[in-house]
Amino acid sequence: AQSVAQPEDQVNVAEGNPLTVKCTYSVSGNPYLFWYVQYPNRGLQFLLKYITGDNLVKGSYGFEAEFNKSQTSFHLKKPSALVSDSALYFCAVRVRGGATNKLIFGTGTLLAVQP
Amino acid sequence: DGGITQSPKYLFRKEGQNVTLSCEQNLNHDAMYWYRQDPGQGLRLIYYSQIVNDFQKGDIAEGYSVSREKKESFPLTVTSAQKNPTAFYLCASRPTYRRSDGNEQFFGPGTRLTVL
Repeated sequence: AQSVAQPEDQVNVAEGNPLTVKCTYSVSGNPYLFWYVQYPNRGLQFLLKYITGDNLVKGSYGFEAEFNKSQTSFHLKKPSALVSDSALYFCAVRVRGGATNKLIFGTGTLLAVQP
Repeated sequence: DGGITQSPKYLFRKEGQNVTLSCEQNLNHDAMYWYRQDPGQGLRLIYYSQIVNDFQKGDIAEGYSVSREKKESFPLTVTSAQKNPTAFYLCASRPTYRRSDGNEQFFGPGTRLTVL
C-alpha cells in the first residue's frame, strides 16, 4: 500500500534557526512528491514539488526539500525560520503513471516558530 | 487560494438533513477533487473527477455524492447516511495539460461543516 509518513506531529524552532520537517514515503513505483502549507481555517497552499532531475528542489518563501531515493525521504527545510512560517505542513505523494492520479497525504506536522 | 471558491465558509446542519457544498473553479482545470480533513488524520479523498460527466469514488465515499455537469463546478452533497459529517471539507483542482500527472493540485479555502 502506498503511504506517506510525517513522524513528528509538531516541530518547535526558534526564529532565525534552521528548520526541518520530515517526510518519508512508500510507493510501488517512481514518485512525484509535494509539500503544502496550511494556515488556520484556510485551504492548502502549494510550496514545492519533486518531479525529476535535481534532488534539491527550491520552492516558495525560501523553503527547499531534498529527494533521497535510497532513504525514501523528502524532508522540507529552511535555513532561517520566521514566526510567520508557523503553520501546518503536509507532505504528499503520487505515483508516476498511476491510473487514478490520486495524491496520498501525510497526517501533517505543525511547525511552531518562537520569536 | 487561487481561482477556486468554496461556499459557504461555515455550514451548520441538523441531523438527518442533506447539505450541498459548492466548489467552483475558473482555472480551466479538468480534474477536481473533494477531501475531508479531520484533526490528526490529514486529508482523505472523498470523490474525484478527471473530466466532465465522470467521477470516481475516493477512499471514504460512503454517505457522500457528487456531480460534474460542468467543467467549472463539482458540488458535494453530504447525505444523512454520513454518520460523522462534522469536518473541514476541501475542494481542489488540477490541470491535466500535456498528459502530465506531475502537476500540483490547487485548493479552495474550505467549508467547515458542523452537525448540530
